[in-house]
Amino acid sequence: DQQVKQNSPSLSVQEGRISILNCDYTNSMFDYFLWYKKYPAEGPTFLISISSIKDKNEDGRFTVFLNKSAKHLSLHIVPSQPGDSAVYFCAASANYGGSQGNLIFGKGTKLSVKP
Amino acid sequence: DTGVSQDPRHKITKRGQNVTFRCDPISEHNRLYWYRQTLGQGPEFLTYFQNEAQLEKSRLLSDRFSAERPKGSFSTLEIQRTEQGDSAMYLCASSLVLGPGGGANVLTFGAGSRLTVL
Repeated sequence: DQQVKQNSPSLSVQEGRISILNCDYTNSMFDYFLWYKKYPAEGPTFLISISSIKDKNEDGRFTVFLNKSAKHLSLHIVPSQPGDSAVYFCAASANYGGSQGNLIFGKGTKLSVKP
Repeated sequence: DTGVSQDPRHKITKRGQNVTFRCDPISEHNRLYWYRQTLGQGPEFLTYFQNEAQLEKSRLLSDRFSAERPKGSFSTLEIQRTEQGDSAMYLCASSLVLGPGGGANVLTFGAGSRLTVL
């Protein structure tokens, strides 16, 4: 039973255009959502997060949008660059007993940005 | 600080052998996590420690798996009597959790230890 779902295994975008990566979740107890980026032969690296009390968080070229009623979030990358080509993981955590729980990850979306 | 270090980076073993992985977390972090990643999947939670206490174990962690974190510093993950299904990337991560109101639990991952069981 997947609590965090990334239904698009891959996405191809032209350099300079917008990349939109989507994520759906089922557990209404999740209170933080994070995006990680992973290059081959490296561990995932943190990109951006959003609290469940917000609907948008922006950091440079990266913006995450959260729609709680739809249990959906998306990561926008504008403009996309070839160096953004990587696998992107959506992750979520819930607060248990006043302390943040572990992260639950989706399966990832492989983004390819073509020059 | 050089981040989260994992050793070895690659391990090839025969079915039935025991293997051990080591993780050195970021020194200021109080939590240490083990995840497993297989092809086409995201990282799957195995277990985590807060300081030296092992607080949660996934049902993925069969009795052939054991993790320790003596003295709340480095951690080891041992797999006994390895099976071909254990072939995966084993990821270690650490984080600093400050309690209620502390914000997102941002995990910093190591590069992983890739296990191949023949």
